[in-house]
Amino acid sequence: QVQLQESGPGLVRPSETLSLTCTVSGDSLSGYDWSWMRQPPGKRLEWLGYILSSGSSNYHPSLKSRVTMSLDTSKRQFSLRLDSVTAADTAVYYCARYPYSRGSFWGPGILVTVSS
Amino acid sequence: EIVMTQSPATLSVSPGEGATLSCRASQSVWRNLAWYQHKPGQAPRVIIFGTSTRATGIPARFSGSGFGTEFTLTISSLQSEDIAVYYCHQFYDWPYTFGQGTRVEIK
Repeated sequence: QVQLQESGPGLVRPSETLSLTCTVSGDSLSGYDWSWMRQPPGKRLEWLGYILSSGSSNYHPSLKSRVTMSLDTSKRQFSLRLDSVTAADTAVYYCARYPYSRGSFWGPGILVTVSS
Repeated sequence: EIVMTQSPATLSVSPGEGATLSCRASQSVWRNLAWYQHKPGQAPRVIIFGTSTRATGIPARFSGSGFGTEFTLTISSLQSEDIAVYYCHQFYDWPYTFGQGTRVEIK
């Protein structure tokens, strides 16, 4: 059974960088697309971007200048980096695997609060 | 970006009765529509993708239909374990977007 688990700091200071890692168990990273989503309190889910197993990526237009995603296939991990965070970046962050046709799975999510 | 609108916000259903959830897209997404089930403290789970294909392990009481801008998720006979928030999601155009969710509760 494929499982994903997000990890990282639960508290980040304003203007600093948010860094999260998603660890995948039960399968390799090869041949899949890997995504990050988030849900701010009281708001809808937002798809932040994805990275293909080839390494190419696509990011949400509103975050394009601040976000970077990367893969580490040897560790079965992929990562999210979000620069210059503000309170608006406070959310539950999820990692997920795609495409649907090969089985999509999400992690349980991690709450990240941006506050001084 | 494509805006997804779900209705109703909350649906109260008696056990064993059917439930119908709606999702509307601000422009056509063809059949590139998925439904998710989200229970508190758990990972969101895809239940339907491609408008009508059930994901692996999803019971047959869940079915999806629609095309273009109007979509429906039907639960034919509500079970207690179906209590959750359900989200629709379009993956036709980037950025992919979600609806605001429909909460299904037991009447």
